[in-house]
Amino acid sequence: GAVVSQHPSWVICKSGTSVKIECRSLDFQATTMFWYRQFPKQSLMLMATSNEGSKATYEQGVEKDKFLINHASLTLSTLTVTSAHPEDSSFYICSARGSYEQYFGPGTRLTVT
Amino acid sequence: SQKIEQNSEALNIQEGKTATLTCNYTNYSPAYLQWYRQDPGRGPVFLLLIRENEKEKRKERLKVTFDTTLKQSLFHITASQPADSATYLCALDITNSGYALNFGKGTSLLVTP
Repeated sequence: GAVVSQHPSWVICKSGTSVKIECRSLDFQATTMFWYRQFPKQSLMLMATSNEGSKATYEQGVEKDKFLINHASLTLSTLTVTSAHPEDSSFYICSARGSYEQYFGPGTRLTVT
Repeated sequence: SQKIEQNSEALNIQEGKTATLTCNYTNYSPAYLQWYRQDPGRGPVFLLLIRENEKEKRKERLKVTFDTTLKQSLFHITASQPADSATYLCALDITNSGYALNFGKGTSLLVTP
């Protein structure tokens, strides 16, 4: 199957700072990528859909000014958590679409202190 | 509202037995349903997709059934092995068009020797 990478795999930042997470499709071009968030023992929650060359589509309740998404190329989408707070600490996972299935990155563990 | 319920949070079985996991959904009319495996601290990995006109799908030791009348899918792992221990997620496409996925909370499977 297709390979999706994420960087970094984990990050610790101080409250009020910003953190950028990269998601790359390594062996295919992804016009659409998705960003999910997962809290412990919870299901993955879709945050936004990232479309190459256009603005991201955010799910209800997700602040677009806080979670900035950029999909500047067919192989790279980035999620920037701005002015991070402890409640933003979570596991962030990106995915790229196949035909109907999705290929997920390994996830990024964000801890805000 | 749309719901996906995986009604066992955890399932413990002995090696060699068949594990059966259940996924029930409400307020969806899915054209297909997907199953993923997630290991701790990792992104989900796609396992199987079954379409509404398919009663059953098999892949090696995995078997999935899909009953659109009961609004239920069953996921079976035959001849289970300790390496099958993971969380298994049921997922439905929000719009049936290869869009983003809604996930159940998952069932944590533990296979003991």
